[in-house]
Amino acid sequence: RKEVEQDPGPFNVPEGATVAFNCTYSNSASQSFFWYRQDCRKEPKLLMSVYSSGNEDGRFTAQLNRASQYISLLIRDSKLSDSATYLCVVNGMNRDDKIIFGKGTRLHILP
Amino acid sequence: NAGVTQTPKFRVLKTGQSMTLLCAQDMNHEYMYWYRQDPGMGLRLIHYSVGEGTTAKGEVPDGYNVSRLKKQNFLLGLESAAPSQTSVYFCASTKRLAGDETQYFGPGTRLLVL
Repeated sequence: RKEVEQDPGPFNVPEGATVAFNCTYSNSASQSFFWYRQDCRKEPKLLMSVYSSGNEDGRFTAQLNRASQYISLLIRDSKLSDSATYLCVVNGMNRDDKIIFGKGTRLHILP
Repeated sequence: NAGVTQTPKFRVLKTGQSMTLLCAQDMNHEYMYWYRQDPGMGLRLIHYSVGEGTTAKGEVPDGYNVSRLKKQNFLLGLESAAPSQTSVYFCASTKRLAGDETQYFGPGTRLLVL
């Protein structure tokens, strides 16, 4: 099983729709979870952290399910500007553990 | 505050040539990373450093060397470039503290090896 797995997509979604991504991780000792966004030919940037209680930032909601070892990202009322690749990131328990990136899910918002 | 900068932004090499990619950060971060990104492969960790004077191998270290002589700089070297090293290289840094684990990335270096 890969350390972090994501559906590569692409997800082609009409503007205004709701879209959800899932990401699974293999190391049950993982402590910290994040979603990053990467625009075409640009560097990844933090979108949001994922907390055990779930967290929301405007149209974006992130959830963590430790029992099933997956995290999710929900985007409501999608905008054309949401078109990007979304990377799932998992940190280990110790500071010196490697940070594991998923391969990313491509999202295309259609006008 | 420049954040993370990378030089050069783009380079073309011939097979067998050498070069050094420079990453600099002005955020006083302890941890620094070098990744390569290829189509369909995602980000793959080449080498990383948990502090000045320390380096460690990542997932794909072969053909690369690194040095962290100063806290703010992390250098990636290619001693004898190969076409398989054509890629986009990203550097990143972070404090890696509880509550502050954001990785900040540089804009990338696009390398073409002919």
